[in-house]
Amino acid sequence: NAGVTQTPKFRVLKTGQSMTLLCAQDMNHEYMYWYRQDPGMGLRLIHYSVGEGTTAKGEVPDGYNVSRLKKQNFLLGLESAAPSQTSVYFCASSYSLVGVAGTNNEQFFGPGTRLTVL
Amino acid sequence: AQKITQTQPGMFVQEKEAVTLDCTYDTSDQSYGLFWYKQPSSGEMIFLIYQGSYDEQNATEGRYSLNFQKARKSANLVISASQLGDSAMYFCAMRSPGRGSQGNLIFGKGTKLSVKP
Repeated sequence: NAGVTQTPKFRVLKTGQSMTLLCAQDMNHEYMYWYRQDPGMGLRLIHYSVGEGTTAKGEVPDGYNVSRLKKQNFLLGLESAAPSQTSVYFCASSYSLVGVAGTNNEQFFGPGTRLTVL
Repeated sequence: AQKITQTQPGMFVQEKEAVTLDCTYDTSDQSYGLFWYKQPSSGEMIFLIYQGSYDEQNATEGRYSLNFQKARKSANLVISASQLGDSAMYFCAMRSPGRGSQGNLIFGKGTKLSVKP
């Protein structure tokens, strides 16, 4: 199993450009998340999905859109990139919210995408 | 509102000694989970240990243990016999599966641990 993979690993954009970050998981997880990590801020939730075809806003959703057309994939889009979106983006997935008794409902993280917007 | 507080931005520990990383949390939920993640300089998030709010015993995973004090709302990570490879950022996080929960993790700002040889 590859676990959670993210594409690309690095990207540099100019202000106003658009791009899509791809997250894929092969663990048949229902829940998927996009976080951003900024220095001194920890990780903050951008958007999330509780199943195929569903998406919802997290703590910092402005400037981003997401889609979950297939259960295994969760896409994060930047329509018009801004320097404030320079960050490291992490995708994560988990089996369920409550999970099976005795499990820790661990969230599995991808390796991250380092995005710089000039 | 749910919140995780890590009050130690950075810590130093001598190799082979034990170290405690502090974490306090705030939630009104009765059912929740507490996690610790390690982030080395390479950037990936590595799951270390989990404590459920109803777990009666402190969680342990190898050299990692979680000192869970529910009444004080603290979930400190204890690393025994520190190794040079333990140098990294450590994040405490909470997840609450209550009604309306997004299921996401709420993270603290992290503690940077440096292990000295």
